[in-house]
Amino acid sequence: GAVVSQHPSWVICKSGTSVKIECRSLDFQATTMFWYRQFPKQSLMLMATSNEGSKATYEQGVEKDKFLINHASLTLSTLTVTSAHPEDSSFYICSAKTGGWDGELFFGEGSRLTVL
Amino acid sequence: GENVEQHPSTLSVQEGDSAVIKCTYSDSASNYFPWYKQELGKRPQLIIDIRSNVGEKKDQRIAVTLNKTAKHFSLHITETQPEDSAVYFCAASPGSSNTGKLIFGQGTTLQVKP
Repeated sequence: GAVVSQHPSWVICKSGTSVKIECRSLDFQATTMFWYRQFPKQSLMLMATSNEGSKATYEQGVEKDKFLINHASLTLSTLTVTSAHPEDSSFYICSAKTGGWDGELFFGEGSRLTVL
Repeated sequence: GENVEQHPSTLSVQEGDSAVIKCTYSDSASNYFPWYKQELGKRPQLIIDIRSNVGEKKDQRIAVTLNKTAKHFSLHITETQPEDSAVYFCAASPGSSNTGKLIFGQGTTLQVKP
């Protein structure tokens, strides 16, 4: 079946540095991918919609200059957390849907970011 | 935009009892409502979903009901087992195009006591 893969699965970085997380659709093309953030014991909060070949659409309250999204190909979207701070520590998850109205939605494994 | 409310936040039942989790949504155009089970540190796993053209769907011990008029949907788990213990999330796909975008409820931590 279709698979969505994220990398890295976990990352630790120093405050002020930038971290890039990749989301790949392994056996299908995804013109649209979605990025979520999940704090401990909380729900998944939609951050943005990643659109292949165009700018991402950010949800209200999400800083587009802090969370840079690039969707340069039909199988890869990247989320870069710029100038990371401890409050950015979270579980970041992407998702992508196979084609068609009744296509199937797949989530990546998630990436645990810890900012020291 | 779409808003999804989920209750209760925690639910404790005895093994063999039933568990019911309820969600409401705000966007009347939404037409896809999945339920996910998530274990700590893992990705959400789809357990059942329902589209707006049906009122109920069942898969073994799990069922989902949808009331479009009232804009609420519920997850029913019968004959609960300890391995059902997890966090459950409802979600709604805003608008009518089902792009894959989901708005999640706050989650319910289900504990099934042996």
